[in-house]
Amino acid sequence: SQTIHQWPATLVQPVGSPLSLECTVEGTSNPNLYWYRQAAGRGLQLLFYSVGIGQISSEVPQNLSASRPQDRQFILSSKKLLLSDSGFYLCAWSAPLAGEPYEQYFGPGTRLTVT
Amino acid sequence: LAKTTQPISMDSYEGQEVNITCSHNNIATNDYITWYQQFPSQGPRFIIQGYKTKVTNEVASLFIPADRKSSTLSLPRVSLSDTAVYYCLVGDYSGNTGKLIFGQGTTLQVKP
Repeated sequence: SQTIHQWPATLVQPVGSPLSLECTVEGTSNPNLYWYRQAAGRGLQLLFYSVGIGQISSEVPQNLSASRPQDRQFILSSKKLLLSDSGFYLCAWSAPLAGEPYEQYFGPGTRLTVT
Repeated sequence: LAKTTQPISMDSYEGQEVNITCSHNNIATNDYITWYQQFPSQGPRFIIQGYKTKVTNEVASLFIPADRKSSTLSLPRVSLSDTAVYYCLVGDYSGNTGKLIFGQGTTLQVKP
């Protein structure tokens, strides 16, 4: 069966510090991968998605970046965190070919607090 | 991706049937309608997906009228554990990106 992992589960970082969040998927090949952010009390905002190694599409201009160095590894980074980067970060995957039903599977999330 | 409109919040009591309606007036021919459930501090979980008429699974039913400009998620006999945020999404997933655009969702509060 497929499993998605995210770490760390929680993180407290000062403004201006770097960030690296990691997501890995097991039990599937060539998945589509996604990064979302959810601010407190808000809906999910799609940040990045990837359909293959090295292929990253950005949805929202910001000080974050994403990379996919391996097929089932997705990394979210920042060189300098802002207070507004605080939130709940979720990684998700889906099968590469659409079928019925189409479903995304979400990881446990990382709670980031920028102080 | 079509814009969706759904109530911000709803209250219900244990044992009742809950119906959450979502409007998507600009739905396209190839778009599917999908509902996700999210508990606090967890990622969303797929509930149900449909294209037209009625879809039912072990968790919920999805009713879609002929014009497909709205849809209704029906949760039978809710319990306290159904308290969550419910998201309605509309999109064409036939492409290989599969992007999902989440709105604000409907916060369902089930009371004893």
